[in-house]
Formats: sequence, structure tokens, C-alpha cells
Amino acid sequence: DTGVSQNPRHKITKRGQNVTFRCDPISEHNRLYWYRQTLGQGPEFLTYFQNEAQLEKSRLLSDRFSAERPKGSFSTLEIQRTEQGDSAMYLCASSQGQVEAFFGQGTRLTVV
Amino acid sequence: AQSVTQPDIHITVSEGASLELRCNYSYGATPYLFWYVQSPGQGLQLLLKYFSGDTLVQGIKGFEAEFKRSQSSFNLRKPSVHWSDAAEYFCAVAASGGSYIPTFGRGTSLIVHP
Repeated sequence: DTGVSQNPRHKITKRGQNVTFRCDPISEHNRLYWYRQTLGQGPEFLTYFQNEAQLEKSRLLSDRFSAERPKGSFSTLEIQRTEQGDSAMYLCASSQGQVEAFFGQGTRLTVV
Repeated sequence: AQSVTQPDIHITVSEGASLELRCNYSYGATPYLFWYVQSPGQGLQLLLKYFSGDTLVQGIKGFEAEFKRSQSSFNLRKPSVHWSDAAEYFCAVAASGGSYIPTFGRGTSLIVHP
């Protein structure tokens, strides 16, 4: 069990570019969550998967955001046409059912 | 909808002093409750959790928390703080059953003076 892994750890991109983040959950965890965290705030829920099915999306998840979890393993979060307001820490977490979630180290996105 | 309030944005304590971080939640039924800790630039680490049973739960690093249904609270405590405890602390609540999405408070920043 190597924990939840997120890549890259840091990403700097120019406004208008597309970015993609990857999350590898703890193996056999069927639930995977994406959160966004801005400075001085707690994590805000974006979306979650149970296996490969995306079951809920937050209103924070605009049309520019899309997430996938093919085959119920790793997940990707893509942001199209990035804006400065997208600058944040993007956190991934996983759990086996409705229990405690384990978090990765996060991906810090800076849009310049 | 569930929500979490952490009324203290910052808490400053001296090393060796006791600590209590406050957390109030809003949820109609019995919630699942969590405390996480986050060091700068890092992800969140689970300190402890409450699902049911004994309302006083023990966690890692010498932390404990008490669930008080009548007060809708789940305060985090530590009898003697170490300088390495300086970090951001987040309380979270999840609705048992249903969609079960952990919802976080805005966090409390703990500052430890030597």
C-alpha cells in the first residue's frame, strides 16, 4: 500500500492552456474524490467516483472541468482554457466504501 | 445539507500547554466525523474518526476528540502540545448512507510558541 499518488505535484501554466492531473488511489479502493483547496480554506468537493461511475459533481465543477476514472482505477482531472481563478491545490482522496478517505499530496496549479 | 464550522481561524499555544480546537457540524442524523491535519504544501493526514460507539475517540500523535450530540460538536484535544504540532487542522463530516461526501470546515491554523 503506497498511499494515494498525485502527479504532477506542481504545474504552472499560461491562461487559456489545458492541464490534466492524474490520481492513483490506494489499490482496491472503490471510491475516489477530487477536491479543490484555495489558500486559507478547507477542501471543497468537486466530484467523486464509485468504481468507474462518476456519481456526483459539485456546482464548482464548471463545463471547463472534466474528470474520468476508466476501469475504476486511476483518475484524471482536466481543466480546459484555464483561468487565473483556477489556481489552487487539487486534492485527490480514496476510500473503500463509506469510511475515512485517504488523501494524496495534491497538485498545486498556478495559472499565470 | 451537511456543514462544518470551525470558529477559530488561528489558535496560538505555548509548547507543553493543552489544546482544544472547536468543531460544530450541521446534519440531521448521526454523522461520521473526522479530524485531519495538513502541513504546508502537503495533503491531509487523518488524525481520528468517529462512526459510532464510545463518544471519546483516540487518534494518532496523542490527539483525542469527543462527540457531543447535544451540542453538535466534535472538539479536538491534546493535553500537551509539541512544536511539531504546528499545522492546519480540518474537521470534516460525512452523512452516513446516501452519497457520503466528506464536507470540510475552513480549518484552524495552530501556532506553537516555544
